[in-house]
Amino acid sequence: GQSLEQPSEVTAVEGAIVQINCTYQTSGFYGLSWYQQHDGGAPTFLSYNALDGLEETGRFSSFLSRSDSYGYLLLQELQMKDSASYFCAVRGYNFNKFYFGSGTKLNVKP
Amino acid sequence: NAGVTQTPKFRVLKTGQSMTLLCAQDMNHEYMYWYRQDPGMGLRLIHYSVGEGTTAKGEVPDGYNVSRLKKQNFLLGLESAAPSQTSVYFCASSYGQGTDNEQFFGPGTRLTVL
Repeated sequence: GQSLEQPSEVTAVEGAIVQINCTYQTSGFYGLSWYQQHDGGAPTFLSYNALDGLEETGRFSSFLSRSDSYGYLLLQELQMKDSASYFCAVRGYNFNKFYFGSGTKLNVKP
Repeated sequence: NAGVTQTPKFRVLKTGQSMTLLCAQDMNHEYMYWYRQDPGMGLRLIHYSVGEGTTAKGEVPDGYNVSRLKKQNFLLGLESAAPSQTSVYFCASSYGQGTDNEQFFGPGTRLTVL
């Protein structure tokens, strides 16, 4: 089966840097995605890592270590609008399916 | 482009009633998905489709059926609703090709079963 672990909640101040970790157990692995979801809204895609290393997209970066079954999302220069839930999703043995973690609620304070 | 749309946005059912949720996408995507989201449990895949006329089971398919008669539409049916199916339902679509399989989500349908 598949399982993903993320912290349930993280709090940080505006302008700071925050890292949201994701560890996974999966039979077969093709990639790790990150999605953002604001309260009452739909998830939106942030990034995807298929290979080890860091992917950078503006203020957001995502990292993957396949040997450690671990990834993280790094958010820099935090803004109030970054307050949302962040989900990691693993693409396992079935290339067509993603399994989502329970999500990390990020609270950004002034 | 409207992207991914879902109908209806809200619905209240009584136990045993049936209903169909409609998902439509105008991006010519091959892949479509139905998820449910419950508090503290993230998104769980109900059924998915990798092309017109095809469907497959996800993690939690029991109590649901789907159809993909047209490429742009993916229907989710509840034949006999149960309170355990109270949830927010999201439809998503993706190209299915390439490396990232980015999924585009609809706005969701909030379903309550009494």
